[in-house]
Amino acid sequence: DTAVSQTPKYLVTQMGNDKSIKCEQNLGHDTMYWYKQDSKKFLKIMFSYNNKELIINETVPNRFSPKSPDKAHLNLHINSLELGDSAVYFCASSHTRLALNTGELFFGEGSRLTVL
Amino acid sequence: AQSVSQHNHHVILSEAASLELGCNYSYGGTVNLFWYVQYPGQHLQLLLKYFSGDPLVKGIKGFEAEFIKSKFSFNLRKPSVQWSDTAEYFCAVNGVGSYIPTFGRGTSLIVHP
Repeated sequence: DTAVSQTPKYLVTQMGNDKSIKCEQNLGHDTMYWYKQDSKKFLKIMFSYNNKELIINETVPNRFSPKSPDKAHLNLHINSLELGDSAVYFCASSHTRLALNTGELFFGEGSRLTVL
Repeated sequence: AQSVSQHNHHVILSEAASLELGCNYSYGGTVNLFWYVQYPGQHLQLLLKYFSGDPLVKGIKGFEAEFIKSKFSFNLRKPSVQWSDTAEYFCAVNGVGSYIPTFGRGTSLIVHP
């Protein structure tokens, strides 16, 4: 069983288009994240949701809009794609309830976005 | 704010060589520490973690890490690397009570057969 699953795994699109990446976790976690990994492998937090509520939004252009319909899903929608958006986007989840909060993240397999 | 520094960005070794990857963090309180590994084309997965207790932590595949509080360090070691250890290695720190672990920039390890 896949614990954190993302779709699509690969996405190639033109500048200016709008695209979405979906993420689902079946671990019963209450917090989900989106990280961006650039070409130099640097991992940067973009968003974090706890129980469907946004708890962190780093300096990310407002072209990026996360949506969490329930605590098992966190989707990422990107408007007006730019060349610099090309990266691998990783979804992750974790427990944050006090007794279970260890900070350990469980990652999806990543979605490689290429903007032409 | 918490931050993580990994000093070695690229490491190239031959099989059977010993490995040590440096990780230093900055945070004023109690921390949880992690090493994640990312094999080529794959997602990040946990290699080992430190929460409390014995500062020498053993993980999967023969890796270990030592937490030295006075040096704010959590270096990763393996006595004898294999070709299959070729991967990116990320150190991460999470201040206790924080939701958001911070990752270092990663170290690319290439092991030649």
